[in-house]
Amino acid sequence: AQSVAQPEDQVNVAEGNPLTVKCTYSVSGNPYLFWYVQYPNRGLQFLLKYITGDNLVKGSYGFEAEFNKSQTSFHLKKPSALVSDSALYFCAVRVLIKAAGNKLTFGGGTRVLVKP
Amino acid sequence: KAGVTQTPRYLIKTRGQQVTLSCSPISGHRSVSWYQQTPGQGLQFLFEYFSETQRNKGNFPGRFSGRQFSNSRSEMNVSTLELGDSALYLCASSLAVSGANTGELFFGEGSRLTVL
Repeated sequence: AQSVAQPEDQVNVAEGNPLTVKCTYSVSGNPYLFWYVQYPNRGLQFLLKYITGDNLVKGSYGFEAEFNKSQTSFHLKKPSALVSDSALYFCAVRVLIKAAGNKLTFGGGTRVLVKP
Repeated sequence: KAGVTQTPRYLIKTRGQQVTLSCSPISGHRSVSWYQQTPGQGLQFLFEYFSETQRNKGNFPGRFSGRQFSNSRSEMNVSTLELGDSALYLCASSLAVSGANTGELFFGEGSRLTVL
């Protein structure tokens, strides 16, 4: 069975500073990794995904993530955080086997607070 | 094109009642998944449907059920509601179920159920 860990419940960062949200995963086989963001009273919005290829993935709103197979990590990063980046961030994993279908396993979420 | 549409957005029920939630996927998407989001348990997979067939099911009691129609629209039903069923129920759609599908899920805004 697959699992995702987001070790930090909350990350506080000053506007303009780099932002990092950590994610580690456990899966049998090759992982498909995703990051989603959720604003208050809204659904999840897709940010980026890693399927294969370059370990550095670029996504929406200036976010990027680095896949590290040896450390089984997929940390989300943004070079310069904005107040509007304050939200709840979820890391998720999927395995490409027919039985799993489209099922995503999510981490517990990390709340990001960007202060002006 | 229109995104994933969920109705109703908010609803209040009492214990013992039942509820039906509706989801219209993005046009052309044939896979619909449902997730439950609560503060304590986070995001948990309920089930996935593809071509009117349930392809995958999470670890929820039989009170939780769903179906998919020929136009890919999906409904989920919760019978004999309990206080613990209070949650945000999220629907997500995707182009395909598995195999070559490496695509992300597109989520709706959710249906927030409060059980009194």
